[in-house]
Amino acid sequence: NAGVTQTPKFRILKIGQSMTLQCAQDMNHNYMYWYRQDPGMGLKLIYYSVGAGITDKGEVPNGYNVSRSTTEDFPLRLELAAPSQTSVYFCASSYMKSEQYFGPGTRLTVT
Amino acid sequence: AQTVTQSQPEMSVQEAETVTLSCTYDTSESDYYLFWYKQPPSRQMILVIRQEAYKQQNATENRFSVNFQKAAKSFSLKISDSQLGDAAMYFCAYVAANTGNQFYFGTGTSLTVIP
Repeated sequence: NAGVTQTPKFRILKIGQSMTLQCAQDMNHNYMYWYRQDPGMGLKLIYYSVGAGITDKGEVPNGYNVSRSTTEDFPLRLELAAPSQTSVYFCASSYMKSEQYFGPGTRLTVT
Repeated sequence: AQTVTQSQPEMSVQEAETVTLSCTYDTSESDYYLFWYKQPPSRQMILVIRQEAYKQQNATENRFSVNFQKAAKSFSLKISDSQLGDAAMYFCAYVAANTGNQFYFGTGTSLTVIP
């Protein structure tokens, strides 16, 4: 049972490049979330999904896009990377509003 | 919007002693869930304890317990018999039970355990 997996673990992007952060869970959770964590700060919600085909914006959605075509996968797309998007990104899943299970995180640097 | 406040950026405790981490939150909801998460240097977020607002009894999980004061909107975490492995960032989190789907996190408290 892998839980929540994220790839890649680390990535360096140049300004203006695009990339997709992958997230998958094998717990059949309906809720999935993307957060970013800036140094010394808590988690800020980027996007979330309550089921396949349903997504909604969180607190800091600008510069990101998501899709949820299956229950298991919830990729996060950065279209035009900016230095302000340098952060650690966490994916999480939950069954309804029970506790969230987190992936190991992706450290992204934009230079 | 709901807010979660952790007023102690850093705390320290001697090994085997007890420490209490503070959390307050702002909400107009009557039914909600509160959580404490631990983030060690590995960055992995780990659930420590969960409390349902409709339950008056404070949640406990081995050496971890909470003091939930609904009227004061306070949710503190008590760690008893502190161990070196307890050193981590601790985050308080809130989610409304019936409205909205967003979890709100505090800014965290960094706990140091002194041998």
